Amino acid sequence: QKEVEQNSGPLSVPEGAIASLNCTYSDRGSQSFFWYRQYSGKSPELIMFIYSNGDKEDGRFTAQLNKASQYVSLLIRDSQPSDSATYLCAVNGNYGGSQGNLIFGKGTKLSVKP
Amino acid sequence: ETGVTQTPRHLVMGMTNKKSLKCEQHLGHNAMYWYKQSAKKPLELMFVYNFKEQTENNSVPSRFSPECPNSSHLFLHLHTLQPEDSALYLCASSSLAGMAYNEQFFGPGTRLTVL
Repeated sequence: QKEVEQNSGPLSVPEGAIASLNCTYSDRGSQSFFWYRQYSGKSPELIMFIYSNGDKEDGRFTAQLNKASQYVSLLIRDSQPSDSATYLCAVNGNYGGSQGNLIFGKGTKLSVKP
Repeated sequence: ETGVTQTPRHLVMGMTNKKSLKCEQHLGHNAMYWYKQSAKKPLELMFVYNFKEQTENNSVPSRFSPECPNSSHLFLHLHTLQPEDSALYLCASSSLAGMAYNEQFFGPGTRLTVL
């Protein structure tokens, strides 16, 4: 059973701080990793993807991947109240031999306090 | 707006009704997906279509019947549903299914309530 694990939170950080969201996955064959943001009552929105070990930065967001440890994280710098949402980690997995289908974690709820 | 639209946005139906959910993507993608999102559960993949051919049926009950007439349109036909089928149904699209580097974009979802 392929799994993606996230701490459900809530993770509470003050405005301006760094929020750190973590995700572990069980399938060593996974090659692509995605972070989605989902506001309450809305659909998931893709904010970052990473394919190679190391860091990938996009504005205030940094995705970090460590394939040896099967660990992917998302850092949000200078957190804003508008970043308050549930963050879903998704990993490509093998469904019936297909590499392209995504397995999602349950998500971490982030709350940024003004 | 992600370029993926879904209708209706909200649907209430009885267990004996038949209804359909519609999804349309304007991104030029070739793969489309149905997901189910229930409270406190991860997103569950239901069906995958690649070039309008179904490539994945993730053990979904037959009361859910997908249809993909072309690469831009996807339907989910519903009949004799159960109250536990109440959930947010999300459509997504991507360039291709079956590829490891495969960014998926979601529509706004249909909030389904089965009475």
